[in-house]
Amino acid sequence: ETGVTQSPTHLIKTRGQQVTLRCSSQSGHNTVSWYQQALGQGPQFIFQYYREEENGRGNFPPRFSGLQFPNYSSELNVNALELDDSALYLCASGGRVSDTQYFGPGTRLTVL
Amino acid sequence: EDQVTQSPEALRLQEGESSSLNCSYTVSGLRGLFWYRQDPGKGPEFLFTLYSAGEEKEKERLKATLTKKESFLHITAPKPEDSATYLCAVLGEQGGKLIFGQGTELSVKP
Repeated sequence: ETGVTQSPTHLIKTRGQQVTLRCSSQSGHNTVSWYQQALGQGPQFIFQYYREEENGRGNFPPRFSGLQFPNYSSELNVNALELDDSALYLCASGGRVSDTQYFGPGTRLTVL
Repeated sequence: EDQVTQSPEALRLQEGESSSLNCSYTVSGLRGLFWYRQDPGKGPEFLFTLYSAGEEKEKERLKATLTKKESFLHITAPKPEDSATYLCAVLGEQGGKLIFGQGTELSVKP
């Protein structure tokens, strides 16, 4: 059984650019959630996808968007990057909406 | 508003010195309380899920307990390899959205 994987590991962008982060869910999982973790803080929920539909969203602006594909892989897109978007972005997958979520290694995004 | 508070923010122990980490929460309709371990620069690693008050779970030197308002992570005779940040999160009635505390950074010295 493979775990949750994310790519790329690290990314450096400049303010105003757009970025796409990718996640491959753990085998057999139907849900994928994205979190943003600033240094020294707990992860903050961005949104969750269940069977390719958005199933809840946190307090993030519309420039944060996502997709879930039939093979349960997922993308997080962020437009018009701001300096405060610099963080560790975490993807988590689970069997059902209320099940335990298993996290990937994260993507470290730096916005200059 | 759903909220999770962890204490202390940082904890330094000597190897073998047992202690507890606290997670206080307020949530509408608790569906589950989760403990994770996170090493620097890495994703959280799942430890335990607790669903109802009175429930306890153990894994090696760790034991998690749950009441109606808080959870404790007890660490018995810790080793240096237990050094990490421990995160507590709750899942409320809305489902899907994990609400995390800020974490407790544990350092165990030999």
